Amino acid sequence: GIQVEQSPPDLILQEGANSTLRCNFSDSVNNLQWFHQNPWGQLINLFYIPSGTKQNGRLSATTVATERYSLLYISSSQTTDSGVYFCAVYPRAGGTSYGKLTFGQGTILTVHP
Amino acid sequence: SAVISQKPSRDICQRGTSLTIQCQVDSQVTMMFWYRQQPGQSLTLIATANQGSEATYESGFVIDKFPISRPNLTFSTLTVSNMSPEDSSIYLCSVGSGILNEQFFGPGTRLTVL
Repeated sequence: GIQVEQSPPDLILQEGANSTLRCNFSDSVNNLQWFHQNPWGQLINLFYIPSGTKQNGRLSATTVATERYSLLYISSSQTTDSGVYFCAVYPRAGGTSYGKLTFGQGTILTVHP
Repeated sequence: SAVISQKPSRDICQRGTSLTIQCQVDSQVTMMFWYRQQPGQSLTLIATANQGSEATYESGFVIDKFPISRPNLTFSTLTVSNMSPEDSSIYLCSVGSGILNEQFFGPGTRLTVL
């Protein structure tokens, strides 16, 4: 099946710093989502972005589907940005994985005041 | 987006017992899924909950251990049967308006098995 790799696995920042999280995938995808899991376990939708660039406040995301990667940018980080960031994809190929969201292992972000 | 609730939010259970988790959505949805997140790990799909028929399970998950019901387009349950400490995880339901559409997740049920 498709492989989804996220980097870095861990990231520690001071408040106010900027960061870039990366998601590589091994095969073509129909769609891609970025999530933030807060310390209480809630998964929050950040972006639904099969291609192109989207922005939402301090966060933006870019997916280059032809090169099989996506980037999540966090600017002026705040302590509330701490948590785990997941990338998840819908594989394009048919078969048993069609229509099923496949998650990467996540990036653990810690923002210190 | 739909508002999704799960009950219970957390529970501590004894080994050998069973727990049923409920997922309620405030609008009708086509797709409902159940995921497991073991401590420190990513999310793994358990099954797709099909309305009015048996759920579709992923490799490594079986109906006897994780029976699922979906009586209508807004509600589903997942039962974790004959629990062991290895079942300690967060269990999350998710919904989507179509097979490749954006998925939204419930708040999760944090289960600890002693």
